[in-house]
Amino acid sequence: GAVVSQHPSWVICKSGTSVKIECRSLDFQATTMFWYRQFPKQSLMLMATSNEGSKATYEQGVEKDKFLINHASLTLSTLTVTSAHPEDSSFYICSARGTGSSGGARDTQYFGPGTRLTVL
Amino acid sequence: RKEVEQDPGPFNVPEGATVAFNCTYSNSASQSFFWYRQDCRKEPKLLMSVYSSGNEDGRFTAQLNRASQYISLLIRDSKLSDSATYLCVVSPKPYGGSQGNLIFGKGTKLSVKP
Repeated sequence: GAVVSQHPSWVICKSGTSVKIECRSLDFQATTMFWYRQFPKQSLMLMATSNEGSKATYEQGVEKDKFLINHASLTLSTLTVTSAHPEDSSFYICSARGTGSSGGARDTQYFGPGTRLTVL
Repeated sequence: RKEVEQDPGPFNVPEGATVAFNCTYSNSASQSFFWYRQDCRKEPKLLMSVYSSGNEDGRFTAQLNRASQYISLLIRDSKLSDSATYLCVVSPKPYGGSQGNLIFGKGTKLSVKP
């Protein structure tokens, strides 16, 4: 149990385009999902916390108008990188918080496999 | 000062060696502590939680010293499959509580050679 998927696993796009990344909890419902970003040889950095049915909470320094987060259901959160630029190229990882019911220990974060974004 | 600091590495060791990873954290209000493992281009996976009393899981032993804000991980009899980056992770939330903001160190890369 407690599987989290991300789609796509990698994407290459031109500068100025928008890219949507999906994060799904496959066998449990996640009221809270987290979005992280990891640059090469750097730490995972939390970008935002996504709560189902409400607005996401962004970390300091993360532009909410550039990184749009939608958490419309208990199993799906999406991150849209708008008008992507080369400096947005990174490894984006989501995690979903387990609920203690079937699939996942309560309050433990389960990570998706990540999405590697390259902006040309 | 970074919130979580780790040995820069990389550590290159032969199979069977004992390896120690060190980590310090700056926020004395931190309440829970973990070691994660991250394989190249993959997501991090929880290796073990770290408790003040020290805890062991097979070949892996973790220690926490809250007074000196120091965390360690010891791997005995290292295997080729242990090759990965080991991430020290700290949370302001207690164990079993709402696991919110996880703060990751940069990680220490381990390569175990035959």
